[in-house]
Amino acid sequence: DQQVKQNSPSLSVQEGRISILNCDYTNSMFDYFLWYKKYPAEGPTFLISISSIKDKNEDGRFTVFLNKSAKHLSLHIVPSQPGDSAVYFCAASAGVEGAQKLVFGQGTRLTINP
Amino acid sequence: KAGVTQTPRYLIKTRGQQVTLSCSPISGHRSVSWYQQTPGQGLQFLFEYFSETQRNKGNFPGRFSGRQFSNSRSEMNVSTLELGDSALYLCASSLRGGMNTEAFFGQGTRLTVV
Repeated sequence: DQQVKQNSPSLSVQEGRISILNCDYTNSMFDYFLWYKKYPAEGPTFLISISSIKDKNEDGRFTVFLNKSAKHLSLHIVPSQPGDSAVYFCAASAGVEGAQKLVFGQGTRLTINP
Repeated sequence: KAGVTQTPRYLIKTRGQQVTLSCSPISGHRSVSWYQQTPGQGLQFLFEYFSETQRNKGNFPGRFSGRQFSNSRSEMNVSTLELGDSALYLCASSLRGGMNTEAFFGQGTRLTVV
């Protein structure tokens, strides 16, 4: 069963505009959420995280929003730059297992067009 | 500060053989997790080690095993290789692997089974 879902396999955005990547989860035990960015043949790079006690976390051009009641989170990138083109993974963890055991979504391929 | 180092980067093995992959975590990190990435299944958790003990295990057959040494370096072994084991194997390290901590990934080992 897919506990973390990224329903959009791909997204295309114009340079300078806002990119919004979405992620839904089903396990109400998840209490920490992370976004990773991945280039081909490389490991995922940590971008930003959010704890379930918050509804927003911001770091430069990246903002993550969490809606616990809807079990939904989103990553906003503004303004989008060509170097942001990559696959983005949403990941979740629960309780004391935390970073030991991340559950990943299937990823969304973001393409930034000049 | 050096990142997570995985060796080798690429490996080609024949069905039935066994393989050992290595991971050196970020200095000071004691938790090491292993993930398998395939196009069909995405990123899936294999197992996690902390202080030389396996703390968590994913849903993989017993052919997949691992260990951790006193210096936190970890190895993953796959015996009796099958074609379906072809994947990118990623190692991630975190400070303690618990709540609200991030996991940092290596570049991965691309295993091809022929």
